[in-house]
Amino acid sequence: QLQLQESGPGLVKPSETLSLSCIVSGDSKNSSYYDWGWIRQSPGKGLEWIGSTSYSGPTFYNPSLKSRVSISKDASTSQVSLRLSSVTAADTAVYYCARHGARVTTIAVVRFYYMDVWGKGTAVTVSS
Amino acid sequence: DIQMTQSPSSLSASVGDRVTITCRASQGISNSLAWYQQRPGRVPQLLIYAASTLQSGVPSRFSGSGSGTDFTLTITSLQPEDVATYYCQKYNRAPFTFGPGTKVVIK
Repeated sequence: QLQLQESGPGLVKPSETLSLSCIVSGDSKNSSYYDWGWIRQSPGKGLEWIGSTSYSGPTFYNPSLKSRVSISKDASTSQVSLRLSSVTAADTAVYYCARHGARVTTIAVVRFYYMDVWGKGTAVTVSS
Repeated sequence: DIQMTQSPSSLSASVGDRVTITCRASQGISNSLAWYQQRPGRVPQLLIYAASTLQSGVPSRFSGSGSGTDFTLTITSLQPEDVATYYCQKYNRAPFTFGPGTKVVIK
């Protein structure tokens, strides 16, 4: 069964760079078919899509974060990474990684950008 | 960018009631619309994708409909475990924006 596990520092100082990792386990053989995303949720607020990537395709970012965010996937380690620079208190949130949907057939893979598997999330506080 | 709105922002209903939540996109998104349930203190879970396709394991009391700009999520018989915030999300093209959410509580 596919599992996603986010990890990273729970506390980051303002103006520093937040770095998070998401380890994909349990179905690594098929993980290359899928794209992966990061979503965050500030305390008491709704869900905010941060960005999405695949190891062989394009990377998409939320325009409001695009100048500060970088997302990548390492196929060799089944790890999806998030870097968010110049953080402020507004970046305090629970950060989730998620797998995007896909329809896999013998002749093609069609990807859909809803999120069908989520990690448990990791809480990050930005404070000095 | 396309904006997503939801109504109502919150609702209170009795167990067994039929509940309907509306999601509206500022431009047409075909059927590229998903619904998520987030129970208090829990991780969001996918309920419906392609506007009306039920994710595996989701109870049949949940259903979705709509296309273009207007979508609905319906719970035919509200259960206590359905207390949650429900989010819609568009995914036709980036940015893959979520709606602001609808909080459902039991009356």
